Amino acid sequence: SAVISQKPSRDICQRGTSLTIQCQVDSQVTMMFWYRQQPGQSLTLIATANQGSEATYESGFVIDKFPISRPNLTFSTLTVSNMSPEDSSIYLCSVRRSGSGFTDTQYFGPGTRLTVL
Amino acid sequence: DAKTTQPPSMDCAEGRAANLPCNHSTISGNEYVYWYRQIHSQGPQYIIHGLKNNETNEMASLIITEDRKSSTLILPHATLRDTAVYYCIVRVGNYGQNFVFGPGTRLSVLP
Repeated sequence: SAVISQKPSRDICQRGTSLTIQCQVDSQVTMMFWYRQQPGQSLTLIATANQGSEATYESGFVIDKFPISRPNLTFSTLTVSNMSPEDSSIYLCSVRRSGSGFTDTQYFGPGTRLTVL
Repeated sequence: DAKTTQPPSMDCAEGRAANLPCNHSTISGNEYVYWYRQIHSQGPQYIIHGLKNNETNEMASLIITEDRKSSTLILPHATLRDTAVYYCIVRVGNYGQNFVFGPGTRLSVLP
């Protein structure tokens, strides 16, 4: 498994401001992921962040809105820029670890609950 | 798009077995079935995964039909703490496809 922590755990922000969410993993991982979970909805992948390369964004998500940093193999940040109430969601960090039989498994952090007023 | 179909909600009595079904009729030969759950306001938790054989761990059992078009997650003795949304995900098992989460099944364990 993997131990993943996120900061902050929750925040209330004003419209037009930005928030940076930190994700720390207990050991080195190649691939880190950021997800969004809007109220009452399932998880949606925002982007994949590999150390030493640009993040890869999913359709509907852009770097200007959700810039990501990946300075080393245990840490990543996601910034939610120029926030609006529609950005109110839970943001989740995730990593993959190899498992049995040449498979891998994805593990998730506790999430950051963001409310934008 | 999610490749699985799950009932939106189920109830189970505390202490009884909870059997959560998942249909994945278009599963490919190299795709695994993964199960996760999300307890309210927490990050998803990995439960179990399998290819074609039945699997069991300390949390649950996974039963996959012989044609692999459906599977069942079994929580043998459900407790109130098992109340959560359960997600069934189909993907290639190694560093390839993303994990795509559908709406899942909301399991309520009742006292």
